[in-house]
Amino acid sequence: DAGITQSPRHKVTETGTPVTLRCHQTENHRYMYWYRQDPGHGLRLIHYSYGVKDTDKGEVSDGYSVSRSKTEDFLLTLESATSSQTSVYFCAITSGNYNEQFFGPGTRLTVL
Amino acid sequence: AQSVAQPEDQVNVAEGNPLTVKCTYSVSGNPYLFWYVQYPNRGLQFLLKYITGDNLVKGSYGFEAEFNKSQTSFHLKKPSALVSDSALYFCAVRPNSGNTPLVFGKGTRLSVIA
Repeated sequence: DAGITQSPRHKVTETGTPVTLRCHQTENHRYMYWYRQDPGHGLRLIHYSYGVKDTDKGEVSDGYSVSRSKTEDFLLTLESATSSQTSVYFCAITSGNYNEQFFGPGTRLTVL
Repeated sequence: AQSVAQPEDQVNVAEGNPLTVKCTYSVSGNPYLFWYVQYPNRGLQFLLKYITGDNLVKGSYGFEAEFNKSQTSFHLKKPSALVSDSALYFCAVRPNSGNTPLVFGKGTRLSVIA
C-alpha cells in the first residue's frame, strides 16, 4: 500500500457529529488525495493536497474540509456528518515517473 | 474536463476464456491511462498504465490493455481468465501535462465462473 495507513478503518457515528479521518504516509510524497467510493459512482475526488498547507477542492467537496500541517498527514473532516456521507473513504498518494496513484486500505464510515 | 466511461457494470466470463473490460475516455491533449483492480474489502491496486509508445501495454497478473487513440479507448484484456480475477476494475485518466488528479470510471465488476 505504498506506506499509506488510514485511521480509523471503521467508524459508526450519528448524524450531526464531527468526524475526522486520518491518512498517514511514510515516504514523503508531495501529493495526497481523498476519494469516496459509492456503488454506481466509482471513486470521486473530495479534496487533494499538493504540499503542506496547500489544498484544493475536488468534485464532491461540499460538507468536507481538509488539513495538511505535516507532509506525512492529510486529515479529512466532516464538520457535521450526514447520512449521505456514509461511504468508503480512500486516501491516495502520487508516486512513480508518471504520477500513478497508490491507495490506502480505506475507511468505512457509517452515519446513522 | 476529463472523463472516463466504463459501459458495462458487470462482465461475466467462463474460466479459461479471454476477457475484455471496456473503457473509453475524454481528455484535453494526450492522455495518461491507468487500470486498477479492487478485491473485496481491499483498496485499489495498480495494474498497468499507458504513457506513450507501444499501444499494447502489459501489466500485473497477466493483464494487458490496448490503447486506441482514434477510438479514445483503453480496453483491459486477458487471454485466459481465472476465477481469482473476479474483482472490481477501474479505468482512470489524466492529461499528460501537469499533475492533475486522476479521474476514474464507475467501475466494472468482473465475474469469472468456473
